[in-house]
Amino acid sequence: GNSVTQMEGPVTLSEEAFLTINCTYTATGYPSLFWYVQYPGEGLQLLLKATKADDKGSNKGFEATYRKETTSFHLEKGSVQVSDSAVYFCALVKTGANNLFFGTGTRLTVIP
Amino acid sequence: GAVVSQHPSRVICKSGTSVKIECRSLDFQATTMFWYRQFPKQSLMLMATSNEGSKATYEQGVEKDKFLINHASLTLSTLTVTSAHPEDSSFYICSAKAGVGLNEQFFGPGTRLTVL
Repeated sequence: GNSVTQMEGPVTLSEEAFLTINCTYTATGYPSLFWYVQYPGEGLQLLLKATKADDKGSNKGFEATYRKETTSFHLEKGSVQVSDSAVYFCALVKTGANNLFFGTGTRLTVIP
Repeated sequence: GAVVSQHPSRVICKSGTSVKIECRSLDFQATTMFWYRQFPKQSLMLMATSNEGSKATYEQGVEKDKFLINHASLTLSTLTVTSAHPEDSSFYICSAKAGVGLNEQFFGPGTRLTVL
């Protein structure tokens, strides 16, 4: 079946620290991979995506590379800001399908 | 990006009552809407997929008579939790997408349901 496993939080970092949130997946075929972010009191927003192996998604300083050999899509940012405090969800969608499979979410808190 | 709203944001009800949650796409027409349920510290679980004007497709294990979904227009889908019980207490999130293929899903802010 399809599933997404991401590192449990919460993660607390100081401003300007390096961020990695691990995400691995299990899927049949070649899924597309996503990172969503949920800021306090708001709905999930698409942060970045990658649709095939070796693709790198990037947005707002965040990056993630679709690694088929390790079935991973780790989220990274070189220097986090207080405004990055949110819950981050890794997700996949099977090729040709509509519905997303989500990880459990990782809460990030960045302190000044 | 496109905006999806949910109403109410929070509802508390007595056991045995029914609760309706609305999901609206405010600035686009949503051909497909999704309803998710999120338990504390767990991932979002897809409950059902609805296409405008047709019956919803429910995921395995989701009772269609318990969770009634109506997608009557291209901007509105409703989820009704019938005869709610405490175990139905959860965070319900909808999303909407326009068109087909790998179009982005836009998520609502969620509705917190507490059944006493």
